[in-house]
Amino acid sequence: KQEVTQIPAALSVPEGENLVLNCSFTDSAIYNLQWFRQDPGKGLTSLLLIQSSQREQTSGRLNASLDKSSGRSTLYIAASQPGDSATYLCAVRAGMNRDDKIIFGKGTRLHILP
Amino acid sequence: DTAVSQTPKYLVTQMGNDKSIKCEQNLGHDTMYWYKQDSKKFLKIMFSYNNKELIINETVPNRFSPKSPDKAHLNLHINSLELGDSAVYFCASSPNTGRRTEAFFGQGTRLTVV
Repeated sequence: KQEVTQIPAALSVPEGENLVLNCSFTDSAIYNLQWFRQDPGKGLTSLLLIQSSQREQTSGRLNASLDKSSGRSTLYIAASQPGDSATYLCAVRAGMNRDDKIIFGKGTRLHILP
Repeated sequence: DTAVSQTPKYLVTQMGNDKSIKCEQNLGHDTMYWYKQDSKKFLKIMFSYNNKELIINETVPNRFSPKSPDKAHLNLHINSLELGDSAVYFCASSPNTGRRTEAFFGQGTRLTVV
């Protein structure tokens, strides 16, 4: 059974620092991995999608890496800003035939201190 | 031109009532999902549909009945609401052609049962 774990559960860092959020999954048979952002009381915003055959994806100050064989992904945020404060969710898409599903971790609550 | 839209955004109702949440996607996707986010913010799949056909029912009580009148709509009807049904419900969609594709989520419906 696929399980997704995110560490740490919460993180507070001063503005301007670079930081790394970690995600691990138990079964390497995934189609892709997606990082989302969720602001309090809001929906999910997709940040980056990494295909199973890819190693990393970049968007602005965000860089996500994927090591499928070891079941790990990281989300790197450069030069953090207070506006980056949110919960970051990692999700893998996995399954057999049409029985595929998107499986989420419990998220990392990030707080950037001004 | 919202991609995945849910209505209502907020729903407050009494125990025992029956309520529905509507979801529509204008992306031409074949696959749609319902997810539940509990009080601890953990997102868990409830159902998936592919071209109006139920694919996944993740051991959800039969008080929950999804209905897909066409592939652009997936509504969630809940009978005899209980306090424990209070959560945020998210609808999502994804293309069926290859699971390497991105999933898009709606903004969520916050259900409060009193």
